[in-house]
Amino acid sequence: AQTVTQSQPEMSVQEAETVTLSCTYDTSESDYYLFWYKQPPSRQMILVIRQEAYKQQNATENRFSVNFQKAAKSFSLKISDSQLGDAAMYFCAYRRGNNDMRFGAGTRLTVKP
Amino acid sequence: DADVTQTPRNRITKTGKRIMLECSQTKGHDRMYWYRQDPGLGLRLIYYSFDVKDINKGEISDGYSVSRQAQAKFSLSLESAIPNQTALYFCATSDSPGYGYTFGSGTRLTVV
Repeated sequence: AQTVTQSQPEMSVQEAETVTLSCTYDTSESDYYLFWYKQPPSRQMILVIRQEAYKQQNATENRFSVNFQKAAKSFSLKISDSQLGDAAMYFCAYRRGNNDMRFGAGTRLTVKP
Repeated sequence: DADVTQTPRNRITKTGKRIMLECSQTKGHDRMYWYRQDPGLGLRLIYYSFDVKDINKGEISDGYSVSRQAQAKFSLSLESAIPNQTALYFCATSDSPGYGYTFGSGTRLTVV
């Protein structure tokens, strides 16, 4: 079974600085998709970024980028120029095709002004 | 209106009571999912449905049942609620392979 591990239960960053959230996963598949979701205090689940495993190029979305290392099964999220609104719980997730999505335990990010 | 609507938003119920959480969607997606979120455990799959006639158990289905009344509606029931079912419950929908889910806003359930 596929598992997703987020080894950092909590992280903090100074406003305007950069922070990296870690995620590793376990799979025997070669074709799959990886995601980072943000959950602010409103508890809404918001898609931050998506990576297709067959693409070597790392996905980017404005201040958010990933470091996807397929051989190492690692998928970290980098947040640049952190803002107070980035404070949230972040979940890493794995999905193969149209199967269900598997989530990590989450990392709570605090942004200090 | 939201694409995926969950009701109620919050609910407190007593041990042993039957409770239903409802989910409806306007996305036209065939696949619908129920997850529960617990601190330190992330989101875990309870049940999922690929269409009205196709219901499947997830990793933690014990103590839960579901009903897919129509393509747009997928309800989760707790037949006899117990305190360790206290959690945040999410409904989600999906269409295209490899893309993310559309989530509802969650139901926070407390069983006392």
